[in-house]
Amino acid sequence: QSVLTQPPSVSAAPGQKVTISCSGSSSNIGNNYVSWYQQLPGTAPKLLIYDNNKRPSGIPDRFSGSKSGTSATLGITGLQTGDEADYYCGTWDSSLSALVFGGGTKLTVL
Amino acid sequence: QVQLQESGPGLVKPSQTLSLTCTVSGGSISSGDYYWSWIRQPPGKGLEWIGYIYYSGSTYYNPSLKSRVTISVDTSKNQFSLKLSSVTAADTAVYYCATTPDYRFDYWGQGTLVTVSS
Repeated sequence: QSVLTQPPSVSAAPGQKVTISCSGSSSNIGNNYVSWYQQLPGTAPKLLIYDNNKRPSGIPDRFSGSKSGTSATLGITGLQTGDEADYYCGTWDSSLSALVFGGGTKLTVL
Repeated sequence: QVQLQESGPGLVKPSQTLSLTCTVSGGSISSGDYYWSWIRQPPGKGLEWIGYIYYSGSTYYNPSLKSRVTISVDTSKNQFSLKLSSVTAADTAVYYCATTPDYRFDYWGQGTLVTVSS
C-alpha cells in the first residue's frame, strides 16, 4: 500500500482533458515538492513535472501540475493516444525519511 | 545530457546478494550536480526508491531496505553500484538507476530485470 494515493485508472477521449490526483499528508505532499512521472509501456519512467508545477525542457505545455494542501494534481489537455501510460506522483516523506511514490494511475485514451 | 546504463546478472539465487552497476555518460558523477539513485519496480507493480549516493560517498537508504542495501561509487569509472543482500522472490524487479537533484528523478536508465529464483 502506497503512502501517496492515486486512482488506479482514468480514461478520456482524444482531444479531451484529464486530471490525475495524488493524495498524501502533512509529512509528505503538505510540506514538500511533488514531481510527476510518465511511464510508457515497456519503458523507464520519465520526469513530467517537478517542484509541483514546473516542466522540464521538452515537456509540452499540455502537461501541468498543481498542489493544494496535502494533494497534488496532474492535468493533461488535448489528449493523444500516445499519452496512454502509467503516471506516478512522488515526493519526500519526512516521517518515513524516504522518497515515496504513489501507486500509479493507468491512463486510457479511448 | 546525462545517460545512465544498468548492468549486472539477470538471475540471482535466493539468499544470495544482488549486484548491479550503473554507468554514467554525458556527465561526471564528481560534478556534484546530483545524488545518484537506485529505484526498483516489481513486475506489474509500482515504483520503490532504494537509496542514493553522492560523489563524496555519503549515502541515504530507504529505511525499509536499509539493513540489506549498500550503494557505492567509483568516480574513476564514472559508475555507482547497488548491492542487496539476502534476496528473496520479493526482490524480483526491474532495477533503475537515476539522477536525483532535490528529491526528484531527472534522468533514468533503461532498467534491468533481476529475477530471484533457484
